[in-house]
Amino acid sequence: QSVLTQPPSVSAAPGQKVTISCSGSSSNIGSNYVSWYQQLPGTAPKLLIYENNKRPSGIPDRFSGSKSGTSATLGITGLQTGDEADYYCGTWDSSLSAWVFGGGTKLTVL
Amino acid sequence: QVTLKESGPVLVKPTETLTLTCTVSGFSLNNGRMGVSWIRQPPGKALEWLAHIFSNDEKSYSTSLKSRLTISKDTSKSQVVLTMTNMDPVDTATYYCGIHSGSYYGDWGQGTLVTVSS
Repeated sequence: QSVLTQPPSVSAAPGQKVTISCSGSSSNIGSNYVSWYQQLPGTAPKLLIYENNKRPSGIPDRFSGSKSGTSATLGITGLQTGDEADYYCGTWDSSLSAWVFGGGTKLTVL
Repeated sequence: QVTLKESGPVLVKPTETLTLTCTVSGFSLNNGRMGVSWIRQPPGKALEWLAHIFSNDEKSYSTSLKSRLTISKDTSKSQVVLTMTNMDPVDTATYYCGIHSGSYYGDWGQGTLVTVSS
């Protein structure tokens, strides 16, 4: 049972837009930065979004992040088959004094 | 360019102690508020944060695994070591190390699969 809640799966057609939610509490998302990670099959996670809405160098602007209260959202536009992956949100939990990840969301591009 | 590489046994027996090493290059383990963490992922399951160590040697552990984990660093060798005692088959997972840049993990190792079986 993850501290951060994500939908197990989302799907959309190529070229469409999808959003992935990440729900937490005041001790984690509500008071700390959120980051998002993409994990392609058989590979290590890769940073997609940091500090809620910033993109590292090399990440296309098709990927975006936002945060409101105790929830965060990852948005992906112009879906490509290469975007099929598992996506994880993560943040620090001040009550647990521990980093926490969401349970992951599997994106299928139909 | 920052690189991280995990190393350790691929197979351990139940009740044994696991020792994993993360060797870092292109990054100083004395770097400000940045640190190195260990994160694992059982096959087909989600990421699970285990522990991290900052440049000032401050350490944090997963609440549920704290009694079994020890993290340490050897700055001269650019290595971070994780030990996990009393291994069980449920600890079978890919173990990753990552650089914690204050609020996110910007760099990850490739991971090392550890299987716990007699």
